[in-house]
Order: sequence, then C-alpha cells, then structure tokens
Amino acid sequence: NAGVMQNPRHLVRRRGQEARLRCSPMKGHSHVYWYRQLPEEGLKFMVYLQKENIIDESGMPKERFSAEFPKEGPSILRIQQVVRGDSAAYFCASSPRREGNEQFFGPGTRLTVL
Amino acid sequence: AQSVTQLDSQVPVFEEAPVELRCNYSSSVSVYLFWYVQYPNQGLQLLLKYLSGSTLVKGINGFEAEFNKSQTSFHLRKPSVHISDTAEYFCAVSNPGGSYIPTFGRGTSLIVHP
Repeated sequence: NAGVMQNPRHLVRRRGQEARLRCSPMKGHSHVYWYRQLPEEGLKFMVYLQKENIIDESGMPKERFSAEFPKEGPSILRIQQVVRGDSAAYFCASSPRREGNEQFFGPGTRLTVL
Repeated sequence: AQSVTQLDSQVPVFEEAPVELRCNYSSSVSVYLFWYVQYPNQGLQLLLKYLSGSTLVKGINGFEAEFNKSQTSFHLRKPSVHISDTAEYFCAVSNPGGSYIPTFGRGTSLIVHP
C-alpha cells in the first residue's frame, strides 16, 4: 500500500506564475488535508477536503489559493500569481476517517518563488 | 479555540542520554493528542497518539508520552536516544466531536550528539 504521494517534490516559479501541487492520498483514504510549513514554524492548516467537497478552508488565504479533490485523480492545490511570500513547504495528509485518526503525510512539495 | 505550546525550540542531548520534549495544550473540551516526527526533507510520521484510556502511551522507536489532564501536558520521553533520533518533533491536539482539524505546535528540534 503506497503512502501519500506528492509531486513535484520541488517546484520553482517566478513571481506571477501559477503553481500546481498534487497529492494522491493513501488507498482507501477519502479525507485530504493541506498544510503549509515555513522555516522555524509549525504546520499551518490550509484546507480540508473530502471527495469532490471542500469541508473546511478556514486556513486558506482568500485570494490566489484554491484546492480541489475531484472524484477521480489527485487533490490539487493551486496558487495563482505566486509571490515570494508563498515560498514554503506544502504538505498533504490523508486519513480514512475524519475524527480521532492519525494523518498520514506525504513528503511535501517545496515551492521556491524567485 | 485550541492551542499547543512546545516550550523548547531546540533540545541538544548526548547519545544514550534520556530526553523529554515538552508539550502543553490549551483546550476547553476533551482532546486527542499526537506526537509526530519529521526527518530532514520528509513529511511527518506519527510517533504515538492519545485518544482515551491509559494516560501512558507507548509509541514507535522507544518513545512514550504521558497525558496529564490537570497540567494540560503531553510530554514526550525516551530513556536512551540514538543519533538517528535527530529530527524535528511536533505535538498536535484535536477536539473529538468538534474542531477535528489538528493544531500543531511550532516543533522542537532534537539534536543528538555522539
């Protein structure tokens, strides 16, 4: 059973470009969470999705950021018109149920905005 | 609202010495508690979790933690550390039946010296 997969592992973008980060949850997991990690900081929750639905996006910036988890295929975190402040590690986690369960994390995508 | 405080940003220790990483949480309701480990350039991996029952929880790699409700603490301990335990450790809390999104602490960097 493969773990959570994220790609790309490293992504370099120039200011103003778009960044697309992909996450394939573990088999059988229908709950996906996205987090952002900045140097010297913990993980900050961004968005929680279940298949085809956004359940909680309270941690997502109101502009330029969006997320989806379609019926088929990976979850996508999309950042439009990236700025230098978007440079961070973005982690995806999945779980089989909503409550009381550990989250299984992917290796992360390290986004660098030039 | 819930919060997690990891009092030490960095803990240096010599190999084979005991270690304790401190975690205090704030929550007005019952909690689930987790400790995760992050090795360089990797995602988070669950060490152990407390959901209910015995307050002493044993995890992987020889780690254990004790839930102390009166002190709102969930400190992580290991009696004898190895060089390979050098990593970032994150404490997290979630609320059963409420805000199921875990809140993470800022992390503690454990540095094991030979």
